[in-house]
Amino acid sequence: DAKTTQPPSMDCAEGRAANLPCNHSTISGNEYVYWYRQIHSQGPQYIIHGLKNNETNEMASLIITEDRKSSTLILPHATLRDTAVYYCIVRRPGGATNKLIFGTGTLLAVQP
Amino acid sequence: KAGVTQTPRYLIKTRGQQVTLSCSPISGHRSVSWYQQTPGQGLQFLFEYFSETQRNKGNFPGRFSGRQFSNSRSEMNVSTLELGDSALYLCASSLDSSVPDTQYFGPGTRLTVL
Repeated sequence: DAKTTQPPSMDCAEGRAANLPCNHSTISGNEYVYWYRQIHSQGPQYIIHGLKNNETNEMASLIITEDRKSSTLILPHATLRDTAVYYCIVRRPGGATNKLIFGTGTLLAVQP
Repeated sequence: KAGVTQTPRYLIKTRGQQVTLSCSPISGHRSVSWYQQTPGQGLQFLFEYFSETQRNKGNFPGRFSGRQFSNSRSEMNVSTLELGDSALYLCASSLDSSVPDTQYFGPGTRLTVL
């Protein structure tokens, strides 16, 4: 699975959009980009995933560049409860490769 | 639908003891994976079970083992506990019938080894 690079920390004002970048320059054609977040000492929470098209759900939007070498997770209106470590993971489709490799993630601190 | 449940939530053991942790996956999910999270090493994959068989294994010593039952529930066991085994142990389940296959995590078991 391709390696990802994320900034170690970011700040965001409450109510503003939080844009979390992820670099995955060695991504392969069949690898998906997944985002999870972990609020202190809880289990990681699935946010969103995508292959090449932009994706949106009730939690966030995922923008993947055309060359697929980077992506951005967007939380449209950040709240204090969005303070967490955000992990960007690249992985092949499930089944026999059902294993997530977590990096160090980005600690997003939402400020009041 | 109920999420992934893990029991117990907290556990304190002493060095040399063994421990068994339990994980109940989301109903209908057939794959269960286990992860260890420590401040020094972060989140690391332990192993994955599917149809009662270990399908993937991480780089952990043989003291770490697991199993899966016919109802997809899983247990992991750590024998001869060491201080360094103190960690948050997380279980994740997935359907294993879709591409891609999204894993959903439980709340974890916090193990402290004294």
